[in-house]
Parts: sequence; structure tokens; C-alpha cells
Amino acid sequence: DAGVIQSPRHEVTEMGQEVTLRCKPISGHDYLFWYRQTMMRGLELLIYFNNNVPIDDSGMPEDRFSAKMPNASFSTLKIQPSEPRDSAVYFCASNSAGTGELFFGEGSRLTVL
Amino acid sequence: GESVGLHLPTLSVQEGDNSIINCAYSNSASDYFIWYKQESGKGPQFIIDIRSNMDKRQGQRVTVLLNKTVKHLSLQIAATQPGDSAVYFCAEIHTGGFKTIFGAGTRLFVKA
Repeated sequence: DAGVIQSPRHEVTEMGQEVTLRCKPISGHDYLFWYRQTMMRGLELLIYFNNNVPIDDSGMPEDRFSAKMPNASFSTLKIQPSEPRDSAVYFCASNSAGTGELFFGEGSRLTVL
Repeated sequence: GESVGLHLPTLSVQEGDNSIINCAYSNSASDYFIWYKQESGKGPQFIIDIRSNMDKRQGQRVTVLLNKTVKHLSLQIAATQPGDSAVYFCAEIHTGGFKTIFGAGTRLFVKA
């Protein structure tokens, strides 16, 4: 298996622009998680899905952030409009029901100027 | 992606020595704990796990100890190697769900 695949690996954008991050979970995994990593706050859980349904979005910072999972093999995290404080590494992870181990992608590093 | 955390606690050990990385967790209701390793430019990777009904679990060169009384976890790495240099996170799983909460992380430097 190719593992969790994220794109883009790096994104540099200007404040106010829309940013879309993409994730393909491991085939057969029914849980998908979005995390944000910064120096100040470490790894923060933003939202997670089970069978494509959002279960807990309490970590989403504000209305500028939205996440979707239209099918079992694809999820997006969108920021609109982006702000410099959104600069971080965004990780997607997946796993199967019954196990706690998370399988992470390599992350998308976002820089908002 | 890159590992971030220039202000993380840091542990520096000599190659071949044993390393002990400590972690305090927050929720007494957490019943499952995992240690992850994050190398530069990569996502966190599973090392070892332990359930709350256990005090100790051993893997290959790694041992996790759990003290529920004081809500403390430790990761012991035997015969530390340069390839062990990374940031290490403890994570707790909240009862009733699959919501994983990560600790702040510790950066391990292995000196050759």
C-alpha cells in the first residue's frame, strides 16, 4: 500500500487566498483525521471522519476552515480566506475501527504571506 | 512537511546509551496510549502502545511504562542509535472514541 497521500507537499500563498489541502487515506481505513502542527501548539486535532461522516470538528479553529470527505478515498481541508497565522504543517492520518494506531501522511506545509 | 518544535524539551544521549523519554498525560479516563516518532520532514510514526490495564510493554529495543497513579508514561530506548534521533510524542486515546491527543513532544539527539 502507498500509505496516506497528501498534496500539495508545500504551498505558499498570500493572505486572503483560498487554500485546499488534499488527502487520500489508506484503502480500507474508515477513520480519517486532520491535524495541524505548529511550534506554539504542537499537534492539534482539527476534525475526524468515520465512514465519510464528520464525527468531531471541535478542533476546527473558526469558520474559515472547512473539511469534506465526499468518498472513502478522498478528503479536503479548505481555508478561505487564509491568514498568516494559518501557516503550519497540516497532516492527514487514517486508521481502521478497533485500532488506535494512526497512519500519517507526510504533511502539507502551508505558508501564508 | 517538516517536524516543527524548536522550543521542545531536548534529550541528548551518547550512542549506545539508554534513553528515557517522559510524558505526563492529562485525562485519567484515557485507556490507551501510544508513542510516536517523528523524523524531520515526515509524519509521526507508531512505535509502541500500551493499554491502561498494563504497567509495562516491551518491543524491539523499546519499553513503555505506564503509571496511572500519577498519569505518567515513559519510553525507554535501549542502545540508542543515531537513527533514533527524532521528536517523540506520547498520545492518549479518549475512552469511547478514536480521538488521539498528542503531548508536546521531546527532541532526542544521539551523539555519535
